[in-house]
Amino acid sequence: QKEVEQDPGPLSVPEGAIVSLNCTYSNSAFQYFMWYRQYSRKGPELLMYTYSSGNKEDGRFTAQVDKSSKYISLFIRDSQPSDSATYLCAMIHYGGSQGNLIFGKGTKLSVKP
Amino acid sequence: NAGVTQTPKFRVLKTGQSMTLLCAQDMNHEYMYWYRQDPGMGLRLIHYSVGEGTTAKGEVPDGYNVSRLKKQNFLLGLESAAPSQTSVYFCASSRQGNGNQPQHFGDGTRLSIL
Repeated sequence: QKEVEQDPGPLSVPEGAIVSLNCTYSNSAFQYFMWYRQYSRKGPELLMYTYSSGNKEDGRFTAQVDKSSKYISLFIRDSQPSDSATYLCAMIHYGGSQGNLIFGKGTKLSVKP
Repeated sequence: NAGVTQTPKFRVLKTGQSMTLLCAQDMNHEYMYWYRQDPGMGLRLIHYSVGEGTTAKGEVPDGYNVSRLKKQNFLLGLESAAPSQTSVYFCASSRQGNGNQPQHFGDGTRLSIL
């Protein structure tokens, strides 16, 4: 079993839809959880960062962490064509001095006008 | 503010050739990383550095060497390129290596080995 599982999609939605992206993980030592957005032919850019269980909201984006289920989600409200990208979840062990992020494989999202 | 800059952006090599990929960051970050990204495999850590003059192996280090002679630069070398090293290479940096210091990425180097 991979440490981090993420459905690669592709996921296609109409403009204005609510998008739900998810990752599951197996290692209960993960404490920090991130979502990166990667546009075509660009590097990943940090979108959301959370620590511990619960929700974090930033504009149209909400990151949710459920440690008891080892499940994290990213919700995008009122999706826009500019949200079309690949979304990567990433997580790191608590107190990991080596900074080794573990990435999911990414979900490719397409928002149609 | 340039952030993380990678050079070159594209390169085609023949099997057995050598080359060096350069990563430069202007954020005074201590930690730097080299990843490769392959279809269906996601991002995998090759090598990383926790400060000037240090390097360490990541998940897939074989066939690569790195050097961090200056804090702002992290070099990735391929001594004898193989077709299996065809990939997109990303450099990243972070202020520290613990969980609350996110990594910032460059835009990648697309490398093809024929």
